[in-house]
Amino acid sequence: DAGVIQSPRHEVTEMGQEVTLRCKPISGHNSLFWYRQTMMRGLELLIYFNNNVPIDDSGMPEDRFSAKMPNASFSTLKIQPSEPRDSAVYFCASSFRGSGSWEQYFGPGTRLTVT
Amino acid sequence: AQTVTQSQPEMSVQEAETVTLSCTYDTSESDYYLFWYKQPPSRQMILVIRQEAYKQQNATENRFSVNFQKAAKSFSLKISDSQLGDAAMYFCAYRSARETSGSRLTFGEGTQLTVNP
Repeated sequence: DAGVIQSPRHEVTEMGQEVTLRCKPISGHNSLFWYRQTMMRGLELLIYFNNNVPIDDSGMPEDRFSAKMPNASFSTLKIQPSEPRDSAVYFCASSFRGSGSWEQYFGPGTRLTVT
Repeated sequence: AQTVTQSQPEMSVQEAETVTLSCTYDTSESDYYLFWYKQPPSRQMILVIRQEAYKQQNATENRFSVNFQKAAKSFSLKISDSQLGDAAMYFCAYRSARETSGSRLTFGEGTQLTVNP
């Protein structure tokens, strides 16, 4: 069984460039989450989707960040333009929103470095 | 808003010994879920164990068990027979069971566990 797949695993870019992070959730899961992990702020939720619809994007830091989920098997997180303070590890997670505790399963993360 | 606090930034344990990681949380809700995640150097976030707040029985997964004290809002993780592969950052997390609160996980700051051979 494939877990959550993220690409790329590492991204190094220059300030001002557009960055696109990709995520494929676990098949059958209907909720998808984007998290950011930094030393200063720890793990924080950026946005999440239920059935491909954005439900809560209050964690998205600014208008430079946008996320889409065009179908149940794919999501993107875009940063345009990127800034050095965006350097972090970005995680995608998915879960099945049904009965129960709705455990979230995380992808391996994308380490983004903006120089 | 809910908060999760892990007061031990670092812990160490000898191989084969037992270690307990602490977690406290603050919430006004009565129904919720608590989780422990492990993050090894590979950065992968791995679910270790979960606890439903409505259950009085403490969850157990092989060498991992929790001590859930609902009144005290405490959720500690006990690792028995520690192994070198247990070395990782451990995160405590909270999720509301309310539909209107959504599915967000609130994480603690993490505890870095070192296992000494």
